[in-house]
Amino acid sequence: KAGVTQTPRYLIKTRGQQVTLSCSPISGHRSVSWYQQTPGQGLQFLFEYFSETQRNKGNFPGRFSGRQFSNSRSEMNVSTLELGDSALYLCASSLLASPNSNEQFFGPGTRLTVL
Amino acid sequence: GQNIDQPTEMTATEGAIVQINCTYQTSGFNGLFWYQQHAGEAPTFLSYNVLDGLEEKGRFSSFLSRSKGYSYLLLKELQMKDSASYLCAVRDANNNDMRFGAGTRLTVKP
Repeated sequence: KAGVTQTPRYLIKTRGQQVTLSCSPISGHRSVSWYQQTPGQGLQFLFEYFSETQRNKGNFPGRFSGRQFSNSRSEMNVSTLELGDSALYLCASSLLASPNSNEQFFGPGTRLTVL
Repeated sequence: GQNIDQPTEMTATEGAIVQINCTYQTSGFNGLFWYQQHAGEAPTFLSYNVLDGLEEKGRFSSFLSRSKGYSYLLLKELQMKDSASYLCAVRDANNNDMRFGAGTRLTVKP
């Protein structure tokens, strides 16, 4: 069974631009969560989607948004990029939505650099 | 809110046992997770505790005390490949958010 895939793996943008990242969960998994990982803040929860609905949202500004499609693939979008948005963005899939699912499988991440 | 504290770095010897502690404060608790993350790679799930006690899975065990807001990850028979960061995470019962600690970087030496 293929794992979680994320595209692109690396991305360089400039301040003020917007970016869209994609995540394909493990086949059969319906929950997708997004995280931001930086050396200073560690791993921080962005949001979770299940059956095309956002279930939970972390403490991030409205510039960070996401969506999920009927095939469970998910995208996240960051608008008006800031230097501080440079980070590794990780997607994790699980069979069920939290709190019913105990194990998440992470993708390899998208490394975003904002210049 | 939630505070999750774990040591920044630990060093241990191959073949030994190491215990990585995690303390947390949360307004609502709905499970504690441990993840392993090798440098440059994504985290991988190690364990989940929601009830007090010890969960054993091969060389790895995880313990939880909800009344103390405390967990530990025990790694036995350490191998060089166990050198990695170990992340403690707590799920908030109020909103199901996952909150991660900063991680403990473990170095296993020969």
